[in-house]
Amino acid sequence: GQSLEQPSEVTAVEGAIVQINCTYQTSGFYGLSWYQQHDGGAPTFLSYNALDGLEETGRFSSFLSRSDSYGYLLLQELQMKDSASYFCAVSQGGKLIFGQGTELSVKP
Amino acid sequence: DTAVSQTPKYLVTQMGNDKSIKCEQNLGHDTMYWYKQDSKKFLKIMFSYNNKELIINETVPNRFSPKSPDKAHLNLHINSLELGDSAVYFCASSPSQRGSINNEQFFGPGTRLTVL
Repeated sequence: GQSLEQPSEVTAVEGAIVQINCTYQTSGFYGLSWYQQHDGGAPTFLSYNALDGLEETGRFSSFLSRSDSYGYLLLQELQMKDSASYFCAVSQGGKLIFGQGTELSVKP
Repeated sequence: DTAVSQTPKYLVTQMGNDKSIKCEQNLGHDTMYWYKQDSKKFLKIMFSYNNKELIINETVPNRFSPKSPDKAHLNLHINSLELGDSAVYFCASSPSQRGSINNEQFFGPGTRLTVL
């Protein structure tokens, strides 16, 4: 089977840096994606790692280590609007398998 | 300018009824998906169509029947609704089965289904 593990919730203050980890066990792997979902909203794409290493997009970075079946999303200079749920997802055979999501609360 | 749209946004109905949710994308994508998000926010794929053909059918009760009249539309019909069907249903699309270059899928705004 396949499974993804990520923390259920994380709290941080404005301006801080937070890292959301994701470990996965899947048969067949094409890459690790991250999605953001605000309450009542749709999941929106943040980043994708197909190869090992760090991908940076503005304040957000994502890392993948395929040998460790591990990745993380790094959010810098946190803002209140970053309060949302963050999902890691494994690409497998044309579909996305999502983790349970990490609820990030950013406090003033 | 809506990329992926769904109707209705909210659907409240009685157990045993039959209902449909419609999805349309104007991105020119070949592949469309239905996902179910439960009350714990767990997001799980249900179906995927590529150019009107069913390519992914997860373990979903056969009360759920997707239909794709053309590659821009993917509808979901649900028969004999049950309490456990209450969830948010998201439609999504991607350029191809393998997603886009960065594997991005584009999600619609969701349909919140409540079965009483």
